[in-house]
Amino acid sequence: DAKTTQPPSMDCAEGRAANLPCNHSTISGNEYVYWYRQIHSQGPQYIIHGLKNNETNEMASLIITEDRKSSTLILPHATLRDTAVYYCIVWRVNYGGSQGNLIFGKGTKLSVKP
Amino acid sequence: DTAVSQTPKYLVTQMGNDKSIKCEQNLGHDTMYWYKQDSKKFLKIMFSYNNKELIINETVPNRFSPKSPDKAHLNLHINSLELGDSAVYFCASREQGALTEAFFGQGTRLTVV
Repeated sequence: DAKTTQPPSMDCAEGRAANLPCNHSTISGNEYVYWYRQIHSQGPQYIIHGLKNNETNEMASLIITEDRKSSTLILPHATLRDTAVYYCIVWRVNYGGSQGNLIFGKGTKLSVKP
Repeated sequence: DTAVSQTPKYLVTQMGNDKSIKCEQNLGHDTMYWYKQDSKKFLKIMFSYNNKELIINETVPNRFSPKSPDKAHLNLHINSLELGDSAVYFCASREQGALTEAFFGQGTRLTVV
């Protein structure tokens, strides 16, 4: 079962920042927070991941709370093409290689509106 | 070039038939997966393969069998297809090791009639 909780849907105006929350209150010390998205009729696409520090790449920023029990994915300037289902996933990583699988929850359906 | 490619993209078949879906990755990854996404859009893992060894099978009926002829391919064989097998099937691959992302194919929409 997924170990995360996300709102089922969110709307965002085009050009504005989209902030997608995720609750992972049972996360353990060796679990990372990963974000993927699935645009309609396509395969899931990796966005970003982090352990405890905030992370930023060309697609998004990831803010993880100090207690690591929740995080927020930020799309700084949402476009219509960002309309998708966004999945927050916790993934256990052990030394010498990762263990477990990407377990997807229901995600958040983000609708970017003009 | 497509990193993870699946064929066919669409597959319509009758109940009771046997069918295969092919998956190929050109990323040199050593771990590949099959996921099933049903009508409720839930993505569920079915299999993962690492170095030609099945390492996880998530309570999938034995009518489903993954076959890996080499590290770049993980094909999904389905016997005696049932209506409930209708779904979109996604193949994925990743490099074994920490902090690596998984790459997904575009999916195969299977419809059993």
